[in-house]
Amino acid sequence: GQQLNQSPQSMFIQEGEDVSMNCTSSSIFNTWLWYKQDPGEGPVLLIALYKAGELTSNGRLTAQFGITRKDSFLNISASIPSDVGIYFCAGLVTNAGKSTFGDGTTLTVKP
Amino acid sequence: SAVISQKPSRDICQRGTSLTIQCQVDSQVTMMFWYRQQPGQSLTLIATANQGSEATYESGFVIDKFPISRPNLTFSTLTVSNMSPEDSSIYLCSASRTEAFFGQGTRLTVV
Repeated sequence: GQQLNQSPQSMFIQEGEDVSMNCTSSSIFNTWLWYKQDPGEGPVLLIALYKAGELTSNGRLTAQFGITRKDSFLNISASIPSDVGIYFCAGLVTNAGKSTFGDGTTLTVKP
Repeated sequence: SAVISQKPSRDICQRGTSLTIQCQVDSQVTMMFWYRQQPGQSLTLIATANQGSEATYESGFVIDKFPISRPNLTFSTLTVSNMSPEDSSIYLCSASRTEAFFGQGTRLTVV
């Protein structure tokens, strides 16, 4: 089946630093999604990407859909303590179809 | 987006019993899915809940263990049958139009 390799597995950063995480796949996806999950909650959608090469921002978050359609990255600028959580990438082959999830990046922000 | 209500939010169950989890979406959606998330792990798709027909199960998941209903375009249930401690996990309902949105999850502990 399809697999997503997400890295890094965890990050420990100082408040104010920028963060970058990425996902790669051996398969092509037509949609890339980035989620954040807080403890005890379901994943919350941060950014959705629909076209190869697309670069999309949501506040301090920026994500890009790789030109090969096999990768995506998420950047967080000027991190703050509430950025703490687990970030997941997900890929879809068809719109509204089932998602394949990466293993997650656990972000810790030290004040 | 879609607002997804899932209940119960948590439960502690005796082994050998069954638990039915309900998922209600605030508007009609094309696709609904059920995921399992074991502690510290990523999301694993259990099945696609098909409206008016049998669910489509992923490899490793079977209908006898995880019966699913979807009587209409806004509601689905997942039953975890004949539970064992290995079924202790978070179960998440997801609904998709183009992107997937999630309920807050059901944290199940089997003792």
